Amino acid sequence: AQSVTQLGSHVSVSEGALVLLRCNYSSSVPPYLFWYVQYPNQGLQLLLKYTTGATLVKGINGFEAEFKKSETSFHLTKPSAHMSDAAEYFCAVSSLGGNQGGKLIFGQGTELSVKP
Amino acid sequence: DARVTQTPRHKVTEMGQEVTMRCQPILGHNTVFWYRQTMMQGLELLAYFRNRAPLDDSGMPKDRFSAEMPDATLATLKIQPSEPRDSAVYFCASGRDRGYGYTFGSGTRLTVV
Repeated sequence: AQSVTQLGSHVSVSEGALVLLRCNYSSSVPPYLFWYVQYPNQGLQLLLKYTTGATLVKGINGFEAEFKKSETSFHLTKPSAHMSDAAEYFCAVSSLGGNQGGKLIFGQGTELSVKP
Repeated sequence: DARVTQTPRHKVTEMGQEVTMRCQPILGHNTVFWYRQTMMQGLELLAYFRNRAPLDDSGMPKDRFSAEMPDATLATLKIQPSEPRDSAVYFCASGRDRGYGYTFGSGTRLTVV
């Protein structure tokens, strides 16, 4: 079975500081990994994804994430936080294999606050 | 940009009433999910379709919930009878293949009083 753990339900950073949101996954097959962002009263928007190939993935709004198989991690980073980054961020795992390949399992989410 | 369209956006209903939520996936997408989001439980997968066939609805309370895809342009989630604990935001998402990433609709905010 697949699962996702996001460390820290709330993260607060100052504007201009580094953003680091942590995600660890469990999967018995090679995973596909995703980060989504949710702004208040909106649906989820795909930030970036890892499927195969380069382990450092760049996404929208200056975010990037690195797939580390040995650490089963897919942490999300952004060098310099902006006020508009304040939102809830979800890490998700999916897989290629089996008849339920493609099922998307989410972590509990991390709320990012950005202080002026 | 192509969108996943969910209707209604908001629904307030009395306990015991039937509720139907609709989702129009993006044209050409063959995979559809229904998720429920609450503060306590986060995002829960309710149902999952590929090529209109249900692959997994193990997260759905079967005694009151049902999910269908009558055709490729419509997915429905029905609750009958509704209960206050069903109050949540229900999201539909669609995608093309397993590594594609999925596009979410804006959700239906359901309140059962």
